[in-house]
Amino acid sequence: GAVVSQHPSRVICKSGTSVKIECRSLDFQATTMFWYRQFPKQSLMLMATSNEGSKATYEQGVEKDKFLINHASLTLSTLTVTSAHPEDSSFYICSATRGTGTFSYNSPLHFGNGTRLTVT
Amino acid sequence: KQEVTQIPAALSVPEGENLVLNCSFTDSAIYNLQWFRQDPGKGLTSLLLIQSSQREQTSGRLNASLDKSSGRSTLYIAASQPGDSATYLCAVLSYNTDKLIFGTGTRLQVFP
Repeated sequence: GAVVSQHPSRVICKSGTSVKIECRSLDFQATTMFWYRQFPKQSLMLMATSNEGSKATYEQGVEKDKFLINHASLTLSTLTVTSAHPEDSSFYICSATRGTGTFSYNSPLHFGNGTRLTVT
Repeated sequence: KQEVTQIPAALSVPEGENLVLNCSFTDSAIYNLQWFRQDPGKGLTSLLLIQSSQREQTSGRLNASLDKSSGRSTLYIAASQPGDSATYLCAVLSYNTDKLIFGTGTRLQVFP
């Protein structure tokens, strides 16, 4: 069964509003979770690395004030798209690893089912 | 800069055929390589993970090989089935950046 749960699966919002996406590890503790964005027919692009109890690490070109990440517990990370605009419409996917520490290089990543965001 | 390429971009085959999907990467300094499956509008399912010290991994009808020195990996699917239809992505965990770099995927369609 799924080990990473992501909600909502689809969301439509109006331009200027904020949207929160949740990512939960269901049966393991994840000190590190990752947020990706996927454009149609393109590969996943890492947006940020979410670390429990500390600030997220953002990739170059990703606005941290626009994409707020909170990793409040060992099983939950949230991504909030603030003041959303149509160009933010995309498929957002989170992932987590069972590994301990910051990142286990021997453990595969488990992904949520993604969130399709449409900003009108 | 690590770049990951997958060929072919799309593949359509009749049921029962054996398939080979290719993945190449430019920087051999990797921790591991992972193959994923993505169904339309869904997240990713991990299929196989190969450590940099390993040559291959097998799971059921799937076999993945890794030739780190040449920067190549192949995913072999035996006796393909319509249920195998999906996009297959490879990704390398790059040693120099600690980041998982994805290829653009191979869209597979297996028809009855």
